[in-house]
Amino acid sequence: DVVMTQSPLSLPVTLGQPASISCRSSQSLLYSDGDTPLNWFQQRPGQSPRRLIYKVSNRDSGVPDRFSGSGSGTDFTLKISRVEAEDVGVYYCMQSIHWPWTFGQGTKVEIK
Amino acid sequence: EVHLMESGGGLVQPGGSLRLSCAASGFTFSIYWMGWGRQAPGRGLEWVANINQDGSETYYVDSVRGRFTISRDNVKNSLYLHMHSLTAEDTAVYYCATLGFRTIDSWGQGTLVTVSS
Repeated sequence: DVVMTQSPLSLPVTLGQPASISCRSSQSLLYSDGDTPLNWFQQRPGQSPRRLIYKVSNRDSGVPDRFSGSGSGTDFTLKISRVEAEDVGVYYCMQSIHWPWTFGQGTKVEIK
Repeated sequence: EVHLMESGGGLVQPGGSLRLSCAASGFTFSIYWMGWGRQAPGRGLEWVANINQDGSETYYVDSVRGRFTISRDNVKNSLYLHMHSLTAEDTAVYYCATLGFRTIDSWGQGTLVTVSS
């Protein structure tokens, strides 16, 4: 199975400051057709997950533009340009190219 | 708006069986791949099974293959997960989800399955 490794696992952030989460895969996520199915999900406390980013950098409808995704191959990053209180929660990267689809361990974002 | 409502969770003894249901609304259910994921209490996410539009293709993670069966009823707009030979390791919130092309689109609210004697 493809192992997804996130860092850090805990991320205390000051309101208004940037935050960055790294995600590394044990295998390349580049498909033969040029697609890279790397997704980012947000799970707020007590809620189900919600997709923020698909195909590395495509932001979902309704997702604030302070969220951005980047990367290629095996190294990916989710950035929050200015953290707001509503961003508290756990963030997961997920690969959907190799079966079984696998998630990172999750990064807990909290306000300092 | 996509709406997914899971049901059927509860307390079951080790070795027991349970059937989860997911009622879908707000979209054309029959044209979407669907799937189930789960999250053990206080733990991360695990993707469990996928099914194609007419039910002819299914995929399972190794930990449930042979014990779980994903199915769907496109007339009733419903997705199912039949679970057998349950163990404590299957204790989790189970989510159904719509699948896009190589991605998970929308998640339901989840239903809790607890395997305990």
